[in-house]
Amino acid sequence: GIQVEQSPPDLILQEGANSTLRCNFSDSVNNLQWFHQNPWGQLINLFYIPSGTKQNGRLSATTVATERYSLLYISSSQTTDSGVYFCAVAHTDKLIFGTGTRLQVFP
Amino acid sequence: DVKVTQSSRYLVKRTGEKVFLECVQDMDHENMFWYRQDPGLGLRLIYFSYDVKMKEKGDIPEGYSVSREKKERFSLILESASTNQTSMYLCASSFPHRVAYNEQFFGPGTRLTVL
Repeated sequence: GIQVEQSPPDLILQEGANSTLRCNFSDSVNNLQWFHQNPWGQLINLFYIPSGTKQNGRLSATTVATERYSLLYISSSQTTDSGVYFCAVAHTDKLIFGTGTRLQVFP
Repeated sequence: DVKVTQSSRYLVKRTGEKVFLECVQDMDHENMFWYRQDPGLGLRLIYFSYDVKMKEKGDIPEGYSVSREKKERFSLILESASTNQTSMYLCASSFPHRVAYNEQFFGPGTRLTVL
């Protein structure tokens, strides 16, 4: 089956720092989503980005489908950005999740 | 905004009990999904449904069943709860019909503990 790998697994930042999270996948996909899971477990949709670049405030994402990767950029990080970030790819009829990047932002 | 709600945030049950987890979405989505999330194993698909009274097995359906009597509601049933079903359960919905790879929206999750 398709493999979805995220890096780094853990990231510790000070408030105000920038970061880049990576998602690699091993096969062609129909869809790619980025989620933020907050400390209470809620998965919050960040981007639906099968290809190209999107921006939403301090966050932006780029997917290069032909090279099978996606990047999530967080600029000027805040403590509320803490949590786990997942990418998920749609392959055939299922959404396959990566193992996540755990981000901790300290004041 | 899409809203997906789940009946309980936390639930504690005893081994052997029948457990119902309810999920409701308010956006008229045809597709609904149940996942469980465990440390080190990530999110895994249990069951999904593309329409009322339809269901399809995901990757780990054993020990679970589902019910979809109304379009907006998708229930996950643990017929006889066991301790290895202690987990975080997440419900999701998407649109349009049968296009599972469109954007999925998740509920807040139910943390189930089976004693």
